[in-house]
Amino acid sequence: ETGVTQSPTHLIKTRGQQVTLRCSSQSGHNTVSWYQQALGQGPQFIFQYYREEENGRGNFPPRFSGLQFPNYSSELNVNALELDDSALYLCASSFRVGSGSYNEQFFGPGTRLTVL
Amino acid sequence: AQSVTQLGSHVSVSEGALVLLRCNYSSSVPPYLFWYVQYPNQGLQLLLKYTSAATLVKGINGFEAEFKKSETSFHLTKPSAHMSDAAEYFCAVSEDTGGFKTIFGAGTRLFVKA
Repeated sequence: ETGVTQSPTHLIKTRGQQVTLRCSSQSGHNTVSWYQQALGQGPQFIFQYYREEENGRGNFPPRFSGLQFPNYSSELNVNALELDDSALYLCASSFRVGSGSYNEQFFGPGTRLTVL
Repeated sequence: AQSVTQLGSHVSVSEGALVLLRCNYSSSVPPYLFWYVQYPNQGLQLLLKYTSAATLVKGINGFEAEFKKSETSFHLTKPSAHMSDAAEYFCAVSEDTGGFKTIFGAGTRLFVKA
């Protein structure tokens, strides 16, 4: 059973550009969440996808968007990059049966994005 | 609304001493509570979790945490620190709102002195 993987490991972009980060969920998982971790801070919830639909969103602007594919891999897209977008982006996958039951998240190693 | 407060951004202990990392939470419904550890340039590893079963939760690497509803606390302890415990520790709370949105604290950096 493979764990959660993310690509690329590191990425450097300039202000105003667009970026796509990728996440491959753990086998059998149908839910993926994305988090932004700025330097020296805790991860901040961006959004969650369940069965290819957005299922909750944190306080992030619309230029942060995502996709979840039928094979449950996922993308995080950020448009019009700003300097403050520089951070470690983490994805976490879980298997959700329904509401009311706890579903442990498994985190990937993250993508380090630097915006110059 | 959920929130997590970790008291102390940095904690320093001697090797062999007690580790105590403090976490207080706010949640409008019975929460799920977690402690994660993060080593430099790595993702998050789950240390332990509270999911409304036993209030004293045992995790990996000798860590444990006690859920105290009256104090809204979930402090992490380890009887004897090891050099390899030096890392960043995050407390997190999650509620079932159809999905599980997890809110993290700001983190506590643990230093272990020889």
